[in-house]
Amino acid sequence: GQNIDQPTEMTATEGAIVQINCTYQTSGFNGLFWYQQHAGEAPTFLSYNVLDGLEEKGRFSSFLSRSKGYSYLLLKELQMKDSASYLCAVGAPSKLTFGTGTRLQVTL
Amino acid sequence: GAVVSQHPSWVICKSGTSVKIECRSLDFQATTMFWYRQFPKQSLMLMATSNEGSKATYEQGVEKDKFLINHASLTLSTLTVTSAHPEDSSFYICSARDPRGGGHEQFFGPGTRLTVL
Repeated sequence: GQNIDQPTEMTATEGAIVQINCTYQTSGFNGLFWYQQHAGEAPTFLSYNVLDGLEEKGRFSSFLSRSKGYSYLLLKELQMKDSASYLCAVGAPSKLTFGTGTRLQVTL
Repeated sequence: GAVVSQHPSWVICKSGTSVKIECRSLDFQATTMFWYRQFPKQSLMLMATSNEGSKATYEQGVEKDKFLINHASLTLSTLTVTSAHPEDSSFYICSARDPRGGGHEQFFGPGTRLTVL
C-alpha cells in the first residue's frame, strides 16, 4: 500500500525560509514530486527527485533520501504569493499517489 | 510545459442527471490520462487511469459504472458522472504525461468544479 505523510499546516514570515517535510512508505518508487496548488486551482509542478540528494531550482529546492523514505521542499525568500498548499507525491510506474498536502500561510 | 485543458470549468446540475467532463492535451499526444477528485481541504485522490483505445483502470472503491471514462483519441479523455448525487460534488482534475519530456511529469488541467443540487 501507499502511505505519505506531510504536516497539515505551516506558517512562516515573508522573507524567511521554510522546510516542508514528507515521509513515505510505498510499494514501488519511480520518483518523488512536489506540486504547488493555490485554492481552487489545479496543481503546478515544482520539482522531481529520483536520485538521492538536493535539487535546486531558484528559490525552491527539493531533497530526497530513498533509504529513509524522506523528502523535503525548501522555500527561500518567502513571498506572500507562496501561500498555497504543497503536495508531495510518489510516482509508481503507472501513477502518482499524493500526500494530504501542507497548507502554507506566509505572513508579513 | 505541456498544456492540458478541461471543459467545463464548473457545472451545477440536479440530482439524478449525468455530467460529462472533457480533458484535452493541447500540444501533445497522451496515451494515458488520469482522473482525480479533490474534496475541500483534502488532497487529490486518483480515481482512474484512462488508457487510449482500451478500458480505464479504476482505483479501489471507485464505481466504474458510475464514473464512465472514454479515451477515444490521443488528445481527449472524458469522464461522465452518471446519476449524480450531492455527495459527488467535488473538484475533478485530469492530468496527462507528456512523453516528449521523459514522461515522468504529469501536467494538470485547470479542474472542473461540480456541484450537484
